[in-house]
Amino acid sequence: AQSVTQPDIHITVSEGASLELRCNYSYGATPYLFWYVQSPGQGLQLLLKYFSGDTLVQGIKGFEAEFKRSQSSFNLRKPSVHWSDAAEYFCAVEGAGTASKLTFGTGTRLQVTL
Amino acid sequence: GAVVSQHPSWVICKSGTSVKIECRSLDFQATTMFWYRQFPKQSLMLMATSNEGSKATYEQGVEKDKFLINHASLTLSTLTVTSAHPEDSSFYICSASPGQGFYNEQFFGPGTRLTVL
Repeated sequence: AQSVTQPDIHITVSEGASLELRCNYSYGATPYLFWYVQSPGQGLQLLLKYFSGDTLVQGIKGFEAEFKRSQSSFNLRKPSVHWSDAAEYFCAVEGAGTASKLTFGTGTRLQVTL
Repeated sequence: GAVVSQHPSWVICKSGTSVKIECRSLDFQATTMFWYRQFPKQSLMLMATSNEGSKATYEQGVEKDKFLINHASLTLSTLTVTSAHPEDSSFYICSASPGQGFYNEQFFGPGTRLTVL
């Protein structure tokens, strides 16, 4: 069974600083990987996804993520954080053939200081 | 973009009562809907998957008689928590997917906070 680990429960960065949120997965084959953002009162929004091909994936809101098979990682990055990026971020994995079933990490709460 | 709504956004009920939560896809038809449960500071856990017009498929450990799911139309799925108890208090989130195939993105509702007294 697949699993996802997000080692950082809470991260604080200053506005304008760079950001990296860590995600490690466990799955026997190449998984489908996702990053979602959850803001209070809103549903989870898909930031980006990786299925195959180029291991550096561009998403919305200036986010990108890099799939590293050797490290079983899919870390999310943003070069310059905005105060509006403060939210909860979830990494998720979908195993091929699991009928779109997503397994989520425990999330990382991002706080942005001005 | 695709919008999914949930109603109510929060509900408080007495122990032993039943609570119904609605999940609607507002601008697309959802062939598949998913129900998740999220505990504070924890991950979303998939409870069940439902396809329009057929019975829901529950994940291991989820009591189907406790959590009744109905997906009667392509835009509406309901989750009924029967005989709710305090341990059922949680944040329930639904998602909807427009089709079946290689990949169909799930669009998430804003969630429903259930508190059982």
